[in-house]
Amino acid sequence: AQKVTQAQTEISVVEKEDVTLDCVYETRDTTYYLFWYKQPPSGELVFLIRRNSFDEQNEISGRYSWNFQKSTSSFNFTITASQVVDSAVYFCALSEALRGATNKLIFGTGTLLAVQP
Amino acid sequence: DGGITQSPKYLFRKEGQNVTLSCEQNLNHDAMYWYRQDPGQGLRLIYYSQIVNDFQKGDIAEGYSVSREKKESFPLTVTSAQKNPTAFYLCASLQSSNTEAFFGQGTRLTVV
Repeated sequence: AQKVTQAQTEISVVEKEDVTLDCVYETRDTTYYLFWYKQPPSGELVFLIRRNSFDEQNEISGRYSWNFQKSTSSFNFTITASQVVDSAVYFCALSEALRGATNKLIFGTGTLLAVQP
Repeated sequence: DGGITQSPKYLFRKEGQNVTLSCEQNLNHDAMYWYRQDPGQGLRLIYYSQIVNDFQKGDIAEGYSVSREKKESFPLTVTSAQKNPTAFYLCASLQSSNTEAFFGQGTRLTVV
């Protein structure tokens, strides 16, 4: 069955520190997609990145980077030189693509990141 | 502007009442989802629909019902059978498994 685990419930860092948010997933399929979303205090989820199961290249976007490792079923997210505006809840999510149809989109429990000035 | 609209933003319900949360999208997406968010529990899937006139139960469907009569609309009814309905409800849509989901701004439901 699908499952996404974000073991870190809350993380607190001081501004300019680097921080890594962990995500471990379980799936029975060979074709799947992984996502990270940010939820600021306003409540709406903001899409950050999508990665398919065949692309293990790491990705960097500004201060954000993602490390996808199929061998350990992990898709970790690192923020470099954190800023107060990074304070939010971050969700990792998994979607399977069974028989080409859209399937369930399953989220982890989220990690609350607090960046102190 | 394309997007997802949830209404109302805040909703108060008396115990024993059914209430319906609205979710409308003009993105022409096939799939739509309803999630419930409680503190410390992340987003839990209530119902999802991949095409018009078809929907599936998610992980916590008991006490909820949905319909998908039109592609752009996926309303969620919280029935009196739902014992703890106070929560933040999020609606999402996506075109296919390899695209990102778009979310509405959410409806905060409180039982009074």
